[in-house]
Parts: sequence; C-alpha cells; structure tokens
Amino acid sequence: GQNIDQPTEMTATEGAIVQINCTYQTSGFNGLFWYQQHAGEAPTFLSYNVLDGLEEKGRFSSFLSRSKGYSYLLLKELQMKDSASYLCAVMDSNYQLIWGAGTKLIIKP
Amino acid sequence: ETGVTQTPRHLVMGMTNKKSLKCEQHLGHNAMYWYKQSAKKPLELMFVYNFKEQTENNSVPSRFSPECPNSSHLFLHLHTLQPEDSALYLCASSQDEGGASYNEQFFGPGTRLTVL
Repeated sequence: GQNIDQPTEMTATEGAIVQINCTYQTSGFNGLFWYQQHAGEAPTFLSYNVLDGLEEKGRFSSFLSRSKGYSYLLLKELQMKDSASYLCAVMDSNYQLIWGAGTKLIIKP
Repeated sequence: ETGVTQTPRHLVMGMTNKKSLKCEQHLGHNAMYWYKQSAKKPLELMFVYNFKEQTENNSVPSRFSPECPNSSHLFLHLHTLQPEDSALYLCASSQDEGGASYNEQFFGPGTRLTVL
C-alpha cells in the first residue's frame, strides 16, 4: 500500500530552527508537496520538489531524496505565526496526491 | 483568500436530511477536488473533476454525490449520512491534474459538517 509518515507533533522555540521529516512509499513518484495549515483554516502551498536536492524559499527550505523516499521541511528563524500543521503529500504515478496525517508544530516563546 | 470559496462554513444535519455543499473557484483552474479531513488523519481524496469530467471516485459511499456543472463550480450533495461522516470537507482546485509545481492545489476554507 501507499504510505506517508511524518511525526505527529513537534515543539520548537521562537527564533530557532526545526526540521520536519517525511518518509514515503508510493506507487510511482511525480513530486512531493509541503503545505501549511493553521488551525481552522485551509492548507496553503509551501513547496514542491521533484528532483533530489534542496529548494530554498526564504525562511523555509525543502529537501528531497528520491532514492531514500525521504523529504524534510526546514524552518529557520521560527516565529510564533509558524505554529501550524505541516502536511507532506506525494503525487503518485496516477497523479493523485497521497497525504500524510500532518505534523503539528508548536512554537514556544 | 485563496480564490476558492466554500459555503456553508458550518453545517449540522440529521441522518435523514439532504443538504449540499458548494465550492466556487475564481482562478480559472480546470481541476477541482473534494477532500475529507478528519482529526489526526490524512486528507482523504473523495472526487476529482478535470474539465468538468469526473476522473476519480475513491470508493466513496453513494450517500455522497458530486456535481460539477462547469469548471468553476463544484457541489457535494449529501443524504442519509452517518455520524462517522462528521468531518471537515475541503474543496480544492488546480490548473490541471498533472504533476508540476504550477499544479499546486488551492484550498477553500472548508465546511465543518456535524451529523447527529
């Protein structure tokens, strides 16, 4: 079966760096997405990786290793507004998104 | 504002009621999606429409009936639901169904459904 694993919850301190990991097993691979979802709100797109390596976008970076079925989202200079759930999703060979359950990130002052 | 609107935002219904959820996108996208989001569970894809044609039905019970009259509007008709159907129902749209960075999905705010 298809599976996306990510930690359920993480806690970090304001101003620090946090890395949220995602491992996946899917039938085919057409890219990996990261979304941010604040409580009670819609998910919003953060990043897309289809080739191995690191994609940097401001304070957020996303890394992909296709051979290891692994990705991480790196958040730098954490701010209180970064408290949210972070969803990892992989597009399979049928171009369907397979979603992880999300990682709830709690930022403490 | 993501350019995708959903109504109503909250809905409470009995198991014998019939109701409809509405989604509208103002982004000129060709693909629209219905998802179910339950607490601490992955998003579950329910239906996909591309150019108004249904391209995916993920073994969804027949008590959920989608309708896509045009590329901008998507409905989810509900009847004889069960309490376990209580969840957040999210609508999303994308340029099309393919895999590319431009095919990020834009989500609406969701409808919080409670079935009594």
